[in-house]
Amino acid sequence: DAGITQSPRYKITETGRQVTLMCHQTWSHSYMFWYRQDLGHGLRLIYYSAAADITDKGEVPDGYVVSRSKTENFPLTLESATRSQTSVYFCASSESPYRQPNQPQHFGDGTRLSIL
Amino acid sequence: GQNIDQPTEMTATEGAIVQINCTYQTSGFNGLFWYQQHAGEAPTFLSYNVLDGLEEKGRFSSFLSRSKGYSYLLLKELQMKDSASYLCAVRLISAGNKLTFGGGTRVLVKP
Repeated sequence: DAGITQSPRYKITETGRQVTLMCHQTWSHSYMFWYRQDLGHGLRLIYYSAAADITDKGEVPDGYVVSRSKTENFPLTLESATRSQTSVYFCASSESPYRQPNQPQHFGDGTRLSIL
Repeated sequence: GQNIDQPTEMTATEGAIVQINCTYQTSGFNGLFWYQQHAGEAPTFLSYNVLDGLEEKGRFSSFLSRSKGYSYLLLKELQMKDSASYLCAVRLISAGNKLTFGGGTRVLVKP
């Protein structure tokens, strides 16, 4: 029962570089999400996806790009990293609420990203 | 947008009871989730409420009043391992499966 895995767990990079955070889930959940968590802001939604090839913006999408060519993978790319994107990033997945409304989002262990 | 309010921090003694309140805007409500998050770890699901009333799961209970836009998480027989942040999250009908999270309540359990 691998569940949902994120990689890398820790990443240090420099401003202006491109970095991709990976997320993989084995449940065949239709929905996947990317959040960032910062002190004083709680969890904020960056992007989400309802199914393969369907993605949509969340609350804080600027500076990020996502794709979902396969149901199980949902990578998040910072095209040109900035210091303000230093954060802890969580990926989550869930079943469709239209099929199972009481099913929660399940979170990966997170990626701690530092941009110098 | 949705505003979700929770206290920032609470302190309680081992063996005691703590109640964490969460208030939200009622328009379009479609479910409320509580998560527990230990420092440096991922949030883990605790409870789900969509109808009024109390849901009990062992030492943890969650209550919902839709008309008041109010929920609470009740932690009984507190243990040291319950020291964590507790996140309230609301789902709206208009938002599909998106959740809006409150800032979290940090609970410190003292011996």
